[in-house]
Parts: sequence; structure tokens; C-alpha cells
Amino acid sequence: GAGVSQSPSNKVTEKGKDVELRCDPISGHTALYWYRQSLGQGLEFLIYFQGNSAPDKSGLPSDRFSAERTGGSVSTLTIQRTQQEDSAVYLCASSLAAGSGEKLFFGSGTQLSVL
Amino acid sequence: AQSVTQLDSQVPVFEEAPVELRCNYSSSVSVYLFWYVQYPNQGLQLLLKYLSGSTLVKGINGFEAEFNKSQTSFHLRKPSVHISDTAEYFCAVIFSGSARQLTFGSGTQLTVLP
Repeated sequence: GAGVSQSPSNKVTEKGKDVELRCDPISGHTALYWYRQSLGQGLEFLIYFQGNSAPDKSGLPSDRFSAERTGGSVSTLTIQRTQQEDSAVYLCASSLAAGSGEKLFFGSGTQLSVL
Repeated sequence: AQSVTQLDSQVPVFEEAPVELRCNYSSSVSVYLFWYVQYPNQGLQLLLKYLSGSTLVKGINGFEAEFNKSQTSFHLRKPSVHISDTAEYFCAVIFSGSARQLTFGSGTQLTVLP
């Protein structure tokens, strides 16, 4: 596609429900990253994929968070039993390959609000 | 712990005035440095990056940044800002050995006033 696409752009959910956030990277980009931006804080790294594998899951804040990537393309970030502190903008980015200095292309994010 | 600090959360400046957005990082290892910009209702885009070589880096839209290893800083500057430069600016660092994770600062909201 022309850019990194994320859906939905906005998601309002009730505490305790599960949510799925989707990221469509730029075609041909093998590396895919998930970040979280909470109100008043910087961007927080969550997880990255090289192809379908996730070499680094260290940023996932708890076992309620999981992510998968299939076919080296679309990725889904799942948050189970959502809590109010999960409210944030979830950003996805992709790049041609995972290597220092690579240019990241970011999506517009999913605004998650947990009531 | 390795961290990135943007001391100024808000920077208001008048149009055509110069601006400097500060970024410091805490690490003695090799680093790669980036500035990203997020315009209202848009995703992040790369402004400029420092990987090696000249410590003065020029980016898009007339911005530049200088890597100062002794002060562990990478301040962003523009000699004359425009209304359209109003945005959130993020400094980001890849620390050597960090598995290519970008560590971001908390962001600086630049507001250009007419």
C-alpha cells in the first residue's frame, strides 16, 4: 500500500473487554514495530517483528498484551481484559529491514479509550 | 538505565523567530539519533537522523540538529519558523546493543504564533 495503515482509528471499549488492533505495513517491508503513546508521555516500544517472528517482546507491559504477524504482512496487537491504564494511542511502524538507521514509516495510530 | 530527555514539553515561539528544541540522552555507548515530527492528526514522520560522520545534520523543512557527544545532546534547530511548523517533535535514540529499539523522548509541542 501507499503507507502504513492502522485500524480502527478510534476504539472505545469497556474495562475487561478484549480488543484487537490491526496494522497493515507498507508492501515489501519486512520489519514491523508497535509503539504506545500515553497522554503526557513519550513513545513506548512494545514489540517488533522481523518477518513473522518477534525477536524482541521485552516492551510488552503485561501478559494481557500479545501480538502476531502472519504472511510477513499484517500484524494484530491484542489486549485482553483491558484496563483503564491501557488507554493510549497505539502506533505501528514498518521498515524495509530491521537494522540500525533504517527509516521507519509510521501509521496514524489507533486511539484506544478504556472506560 | 538508558533514557532520552526532552526537557521542554511546550515551546511557544513567534513566526520567523529561531527555535531550538532540546534533547539529551543518558548513555556512554554508541548511539544513532533521530528527530521525528507529528503534525496534528497525522502519523509520525522522520525529520532527520544522525548515524555517523558530520555532527551537523540537515533535515527536511529547514531543520537541522547537531550531535554533541561530550554533552550527550542532539538539539534540533531552525533559524526561522513558520506557522506550519506547529507540531509535536520527538527525539529518539537507538542505543548500541539495544536490538534496534528506538527509545523516544516525551515530546515537545512547538506552537508557532502569528
